[in-house]
Amino acid sequence: ETGVTQSPTHLIKTRGQQVTLRCSSQSGHNTVSWYQQALGQGPQFIFQYYREEENGRGNFPPRFSGLQFPNYSSELNVNALELDDSALYLCASSLGENTGELFFGEGSRLTVL
Amino acid sequence: GNSVTQMEGPVTLSEEAFLTINCTYTATGYPSLFWYVQYPGEGLQLLLKATKADDKGSNKGFEATYRKETTSFHLEKGSVQVSDSAVYFCALSSGIKAAGNKLTFGGGTRVLVKP
Repeated sequence: ETGVTQSPTHLIKTRGQQVTLRCSSQSGHNTVSWYQQALGQGPQFIFQYYREEENGRGNFPPRFSGLQFPNYSSELNVNALELDDSALYLCASSLGENTGELFFGEGSRLTVL
Repeated sequence: GNSVTQMEGPVTLSEEAFLTINCTYTATGYPSLFWYVQYPGEGLQLLLKATKADDKGSNKGFEATYRKETTSFHLEKGSVQVSDSAVYFCALSSGIKAAGNKLTFGGGTRVLVKP
């Protein structure tokens, strides 16, 4: 059984640039959630995708957007990067849209300079 | 809105000591409660959960009981091992279908177990 994989693992961008992070969900899982984890803090919910549609969003501005593909993999896009966007971005998959039992990847560490 | 507060770390213990990590929450309705653990170099993983009041979640020697009267979900282990060194996160989900898998996490508690 393949777990959740994320790419890239690390990346550095400058303020104003755009970034795309990718996630492959665990085999058989149809729901993907994205979280932002600042250093020394708990993860914060960005949004969730179920059957290729966003069906839940946290307190993040519209410049955070995403996609889910027919194979349930997902992308997180962040436009107009700000310094405060520097964080670990976690992808989590689950079987079902409302279980709370999430399987997390190891994350993509984004540094914005 | 929902919130989770857990004790700040780091918590440093000797092997075979008793571990307690306090967690309290604020939520409306009937949330489900979780403990997730992040071992060094690994992704977050579910440790245990409880979905209703007085439920006890347990796994790998860890236990936590959902106490609605005190809005708490404290994590305990009777005898820790070096391999339990990790960051522990308490979390809740609202239980409302429209919220999806939105988990509200506490700030995490780092635990270091020394041999």
